[in-house]
Amino acid sequence: DSGVTQTPKHLITATGQRVTLRCSPRSGDLSVYWYQQSLDQGLQFLIQYYNGEERAKGNILERFSAQQFPDLHSELNLSSLELGDSALYFCASSLSGYSYNEQFFGPGTRLTVL
Amino acid sequence: DAKTTQPTSMDCAEGRAANLPCNHSTISGNEYVYWYRQIHSQGPQYIIHGLKNNETNEMASLIITEDRKSSTLILPHATLRDTAVYYCIVRVFDSNYQLIWGAGTKLIIKP
Repeated sequence: DSGVTQTPKHLITATGQRVTLRCSPRSGDLSVYWYQQSLDQGLQFLIQYYNGEERAKGNILERFSAQQFPDLHSELNLSSLELGDSALYFCASSLSGYSYNEQFFGPGTRLTVL
Repeated sequence: DAKTTQPTSMDCAEGRAANLPCNHSTISGNEYVYWYRQIHSQGPQYIIHGLKNNETNEMASLIITEDRKSSTLILPHATLRDTAVYYCIVRVFDSNYQLIWGAGTKLIIKP
């Protein structure tokens, strides 16, 4: 158990809908990262937040957005969903704002768009 | 960040040492080598990282060649639970650049 929690574990929705994925980092970690992993692919970095502020941005679509709240939990919002958005979404946390720190990953949310 | 090349898949007998190679021939002097693994769609797990000296922890050993163009992750006594995809990643230690994940090596431990 990494100490990072993600909810929900599974999510099934329809095209055009909007969903919110939630992540709680390990106690004491200030950074949260979001990754997308499509079937049999490597992880694609989406976005990083550090202590409430956006720190780095990867290949995140404009239809996706995220935020980190004062209690350091984070939410990833996915809107106007398409079939291709079906994937595993992982959240990770680390102590500092630099990604060279060991990242601790949550169990992921499996999103299925029908 | 430098690109890495790993074999697509490897087999290893249970109880034997698993040696996973990684080629990073364009690595620069301030880039570290990281290894993570992902067991069957679970969240990836950090294993080890190093710059130029060999490193060892409770999970594995990392051997980096003197020219730093390649490295080997060694799992000393592989168990069935070590079956996973292993990712070798290089990145600058103090930059804000994110880890770039390739396809990794699918390691299958056989009884």
